[in-house]
Amino acid sequence: GDSVTQTEGPVTLSEGTSLTVNCSYETKQYPTLFWYVQYPGEGPQLLFKVPKANEKGSNRGFEATYNKEATSFHLQKASVQESDSAVYYCALSVTGGYKVVFGSGTRLLVSP
Amino acid sequence: GALVYQYPRRTICKSGTSMRMECQAVGFQATSVAWYRQSPQKTFELIALSTVNSAIKYEQNFTQEKFPISHPNLSFSSMTVLNAYLEDRGLYLCGARDRGQQYFGPGTRLTVL
Repeated sequence: GDSVTQTEGPVTLSEGTSLTVNCSYETKQYPTLFWYVQYPGEGPQLLFKVPKANEKGSNRGFEATYNKEATSFHLQKASVQESDSAVYYCALSVTGGYKVVFGSGTRLLVSP
Repeated sequence: GALVYQYPRRTICKSGTSMRMECQAVGFQATSVAWYRQSPQKTFELIALSTVNSAIKYEQNFTQEKFPISHPNLSFSSMTVLNAYLEDRGLYLCGARDRGQQYFGPGTRLTVL
């Protein structure tokens, strides 16, 4: 079946340093790829999505490129802030987007 | 804008009792509603998908007998956890979809005593 694997957390960084969270996926179909962010006590919020291979998505300084050949969708940010502390989920959706398959989540802790 | 509300946000029930949770879509028509569960230390698992004019489809390990779902119109869905036990605790998430975009609610956190 479809699956998503991502960096196991927690990832602890200092403000101003760079972030990479690895994400790889498996599916026999043509997925749309997502990054979601979840803050304590809330549901996941869409950070951005990329429906097509070889395209890049970005939002709030975060970005990821849909690499079909490598089946990867790594999340990057050049300079993290304390407010970026949250859990980040890589996810995919096929069959018209009715079902979202989430990775296990990566907790990011940014210290000032 | 499009918003999804869930009620209650938190609830506690005794082992063996049942608990109903609601999902309300505001600002768009929820042609499909997906219910997920996030158990402690785990990711989100899809429980079932409800699409207007189609039968509700349950994922493996989840059944209608345990998690009956109602989706009476394009803005509302509810799910009940019947005979809840410790393994049913977690955050229950509603994802409502409209025209290719899925919006998630804040979740209902269920604690089972």
